[in-house]
Amino acid sequence: GENVEQHPSTLSVQEGDSAVIKCTYSDSASNYFPWYKQELGKRPQLIIDIRSNVGEKKDQRIAVTLNKTAKHFSLHITETQPEDSAVYFCAARDTGGFKTIFGAGTRLFVKA
Amino acid sequence: GAVVSQHPSWVICKSGTSVKIECRSLDFQATTMFWYRQFPKQSLMLMATSNEGSKATYEQGVEKDKFLINHASLTLSTLTVTSAHPEDSSFYICSAGPGQSGTGELFFGEGSRLTVL
Repeated sequence: GENVEQHPSTLSVQEGDSAVIKCTYSDSASNYFPWYKQELGKRPQLIIDIRSNVGEKKDQRIAVTLNKTAKHFSLHITETQPEDSAVYFCAARDTGGFKTIFGAGTRLFVKA
Repeated sequence: GAVVSQHPSWVICKSGTSVKIECRSLDFQATTMFWYRQFPKQSLMLMATSNEGSKATYEQGVEKDKFLINHASLTLSTLTVTSAHPEDSSFYICSAGPGQSGTGELFFGEGSRLTVL
């Protein structure tokens, strides 16, 4: 089955700096890669996603890149703000259904 | 986006009792729902895939007799933790997605925090 690895587990940045979180996946059949933000005690919220036929996608301060050959995908947050502090999860979905496997998560701290 | 509602949001029970958690898709029909479990400061671990009108598919290591899943309609799936023990205390989250398989995002319920005393 699919296995998703995520790094780093914790990331601390200064307000205004950029943050990068990296993930790898194992199943070459996976074709959908969402990123979720989860605040303490709340449900995960989708912040951006990318499909396997696209190499990069951007939405304001957030961008995601995908390298299908290497099975790598990354989240980039620019001009970070304190409210970006949360846990971020990458995920991969297989082509057979909605079954979505999550990475271990990255706890992002943005210091004011 | 689509709305998924989960109830109860938190529950405390005594060891040995059973607890039922409901997951509803409010504005779409969900043929498939997913149940995840999340321990503090850990990731979401997929427990099972709930299929409307048929038996759930459980992930390896998840006891199907302990975590009973029923998906009787296109808008409701339930997870029953039977004979709960303190180690079952966790955050349980359901998710569902409209549209064809392989497309569309997943929408999560609010989560249910179970504490077993």
